[in-house]
Amino acid sequence: AQSVTQLDSHVSVSEGTPVLLRCNYSSSYSPSLFWYVQHPNKGLQLLLKYTSAATLVKGINGFEAEFKKSETSFHLTKPSAHMSDAAEYFCVVSDRLSGGGADGLTFGKGTHLIIQP
Amino acid sequence: ETGVTQSPTHLIKTRGQQVTLRCSSQSGHNTVSWYQQALGQGPQFIFQYYREEENGRGNFPPRFSGLQFPNYSSELNVNALELDDSALYLCASSQDLGTGWYEQYFGPGTRLTVT
Repeated sequence: AQSVTQLDSHVSVSEGTPVLLRCNYSSSYSPSLFWYVQHPNKGLQLLLKYTSAATLVKGINGFEAEFKKSETSFHLTKPSAHMSDAAEYFCVVSDRLSGGGADGLTFGKGTHLIIQP
Repeated sequence: ETGVTQSPTHLIKTRGQQVTLRCSSQSGHNTVSWYQQALGQGPQFIFQYYREEENGRGNFPPRFSGLQFPNYSSELNVNALELDDSALYLCASSQDLGTGWYEQYFGPGTRLTVT
């Protein structure tokens, strides 16, 4: 079974400083990995995805993540935090379902990102 | 392009009752997945419907069941409600083109409270 561990439940940074949200995964084969963001009272939104192409993945709103197989990590970074980045972030690994259709997604417990003015 | 919609937004039920939640998938999408998100937790995969059949299931008991209709909308039914069923229920739709990965688009969710 696949799983993800988000190493920090809360991260607090000042506006304009770098953001690092850490994620380790466990998978028996080459995984597909994602980061989703959830703003209060809004649906989950895909930030970026890794699906066995380039290991450095760029997403929306200036976020990027690097897949490191040797470390089984997929950390999310952003060079400069903005107040609008305050939200819950989820690291996700996919389970390929046998009958076609989309993958069943396995979510981490989430990291709450706080941006200090 | 219409997004994923869910109804109702909120509801309150009593332990032992049954509930039906509804999801309208995004236009052109043929796959619907349901997730349960308990307070302070990440979403957990309940099951997925693809071409009107259950395609995969997470670690949820049989009292969680579902349907997908010819227009690809979907229902999640929960029987014999328990207090621990209180959660945000998320629906996600996607389009299976048979080639590679495809994004799941999430609705805003239904907040279920069981008392």
